[in-house]
Amino acid sequence: EAGVAQSPRYKIIEKRQSVAFWCNPISGHATLYWYQQILGQGPKLLIQFQNNGVVDDSQLPKDRFSAERLKGVDSTLKIQPAKLEDSAVYLCASSFYYRQGAGEQYFGPGTRLTVT
Amino acid sequence: DAKTTQPPSMDCAEGRAANLPCNHSTISGNEYVYWYRQIHSQGPQYIIHGLKNNETNEMASLIITEDRKSSTLILPHATLRDTAVYYCIVRDEGFQKLVFGTGTRLLVSP
Repeated sequence: EAGVAQSPRYKIIEKRQSVAFWCNPISGHATLYWYQQILGQGPKLLIQFQNNGVVDDSQLPKDRFSAERLKGVDSTLKIQPAKLEDSAVYLCASSFYYRQGAGEQYFGPGTRLTVT
Repeated sequence: DAKTTQPPSMDCAEGRAANLPCNHSTISGNEYVYWYRQIHSQGPQYIIHGLKNNETNEMASLIITEDRKSSTLILPHATLRDTAVYYCIVRDEGFQKLVFGTGTRLLVSP
């Protein structure tokens, strides 16, 4: 089965510019996540969708970050305007179950963002 | 914050068993122990999870102590491809959120 797809794989922008990342989850997976991974740290959840509704966005910096999941499939994460501290790998993951004991998450390869 | 404590790094010889410890002394009764790993430049990969019984799958074995305050992930015959950062995560069964710590960096050498 096809895995989680993300694009682009790499992006370099200047501070104050905007950027968008795209994620296509595994077919049939209702739950989608965006994580931010700063170098040397573990991934940190930014936002979680169940179908096209937001379940958890408590750690999303809403003044500059936004995300949507139209039609409950693909998702985009946007940063506007970017800051130097946004340099990180942005990981998308999906899972089949919600509020069940199992339901491991499947991660995409990530997008490495460098803000200069 | 992560609810687990792991050593920052470990070494293992190729072909030998790798035993990765994890301390989760504040785990509650309905929380599972999950293990993920992240190979360089890739997204994390699910390995195994358990509640209180020992678990085994094609990738690894998970040994959870009787008091559930610690666990060990065992890779029975480590290969060079097992070099990665291994994350131990405690998660409530009712929620999908994963809270990652900094993990253990396992280096498998020839």
